Amino acid sequence: GNSVTQMEGPVTLSEEAFLTINCTYTATGYPSLFWYVQYPGEGLQLLLKATKADDKGSNKGFEATYRKETTSFHLEKGSVQVSDSAVYFCALDPNTGNQFYFGTGTSLTVIP
Amino acid sequence: DTGVSQNPRHKITKRGQNVTFRCDPISEHNRLYWYRQTLGQGPEFLTYFQNEAQLEKSRLLSDRFSAERPKGSFSTLEIQRTEQGDSAMYLCASSLGTGGAEAFFGQGTRLTVV
Repeated sequence: GNSVTQMEGPVTLSEEAFLTINCTYTATGYPSLFWYVQYPGEGLQLLLKATKADDKGSNKGFEATYRKETTSFHLEKGSVQVSDSAVYFCALDPNTGNQFYFGTGTSLTVIP
Repeated sequence: DTGVSQNPRHKITKRGQNVTFRCDPISEHNRLYWYRQTLGQGPEFLTYFQNEAQLEKSRLLSDRFSAERPKGSFSTLEIQRTEQGDSAMYLCASSLGTGGAEAFFGQGTRLTVV
């Protein structure tokens, strides 16, 4: 079946610290992978995506590489800011079109 | 492109009442999804439309839930005889449906059943 397992939170970091949020997946076939972000009081927004193995998605200083051999899509940022405080969701689209599968979310708080 | 729009943003209802939510997707998107999100959890899939056809429903979608997408445009989600366990954020998303296309989410409708 299809599923996403995401690193448990919450995560608290100081400004300018390095961030890693782990995400692993199980999928049939060749999925596309996504990271979504949900800022306080707002809806889910796409942060980045990768549609095939070894692709790297990047946006706003965040990066994630689609690793088929380890079935992972870990989110990284070299230097977090207070404005990055949000909940981050890893998601999978098995490309059958019927639904996206989401992880449980990781809450990030960045303190000055 | 004004994004995915959901109405109402908040709904408080008494247990046993019926409620209906509306979703207006991005106009050219042929795929529309409904999800439910509870506190501290990721979105849980409820149902999916391709154009006007409802192609998949989650087992979470009991017979008290019904969704429609007439003419492949806006969609409604109705919950009959609401229960306290139905309290959640209901999210609508749409996508173009091509390989790797992301889903665009609305801001959700928060339902509170008292």
